[in-house]
Amino acid sequence: DIQMTQSPSFLSASVGDRVTINCKASQNINKYLNWYQQKLGEAPKLLIYNTNNLQTGIPSRFSGSGSGTDYTLTISSLQPEDVATYFCLQHSSRPNTFGAGTKLELK
Amino acid sequence: QVQLQQSGAELAKPGSSVKISCKASGYTFTSYYISWIKQTTGQGLEYIGYINTGSGGTNYNEKFKGKATLTVDKSSSTAFMQLSSLTPDDSAVYYCARGLAGAYWGQGTLVTVSS
Repeated sequence: DIQMTQSPSFLSASVGDRVTINCKASQNINKYLNWYQQKLGEAPKLLIYNTNNLQTGIPSRFSGSGSGTDYTLTISSLQPEDVATYFCLQHSSRPNTFGAGTKLELK
Repeated sequence: QVQLQQSGAELAKPGSSVKISCKASGYTFTSYYISWIKQTTGQGLEYIGYINTGSGGTNYNEKFKGKATLTVDKSSSTAFMQLSSLTPDDSAVYYCARGLAGAYWGQGTLVTVSS
């Protein structure tokens, strides 16, 4: 199985900050990488699919980049409603595997 | 709009089975696979497998073979996951999601295994 190493595990930032979250795959996943946001008590919500495609309805402050084994989610200007846990998912190779998550809080 | 409505929370005894449902609406059911995902505090998110809603064909994560059985009822646009021989380690929130990579998710079903 492909291992997804997500960092950091915890992140504290201020409103307006630029925030980056990283996922590193144990092998090339050919940009088959999604990012999800999960708020407390809710189901995960797709933000970015296939590395850099913004899901419909998601604010443009969210963006994704990467290739090969290294991928990044960026929030250009953190908003209070962005407090959540963020996960990456590789769907290049079965079984799909998730990162362990990044818990984002406001400073 | 796309919706996946899952069945309610389950409290089950060790050794028993539960069957969770996931009713889809807002799109053509047989046009997308349904995936199932397990979430626990300790292990995070784990991909259980998926079912081809048109053919009924399935693909399981090796870890969940023998534990989970995925089925579908096209007439009601509903996917099902049966979990058997339950142990406390099966206690989790289980999600269904549309597609192989989960563009839309159900609200989750909490399964608690306890004697």
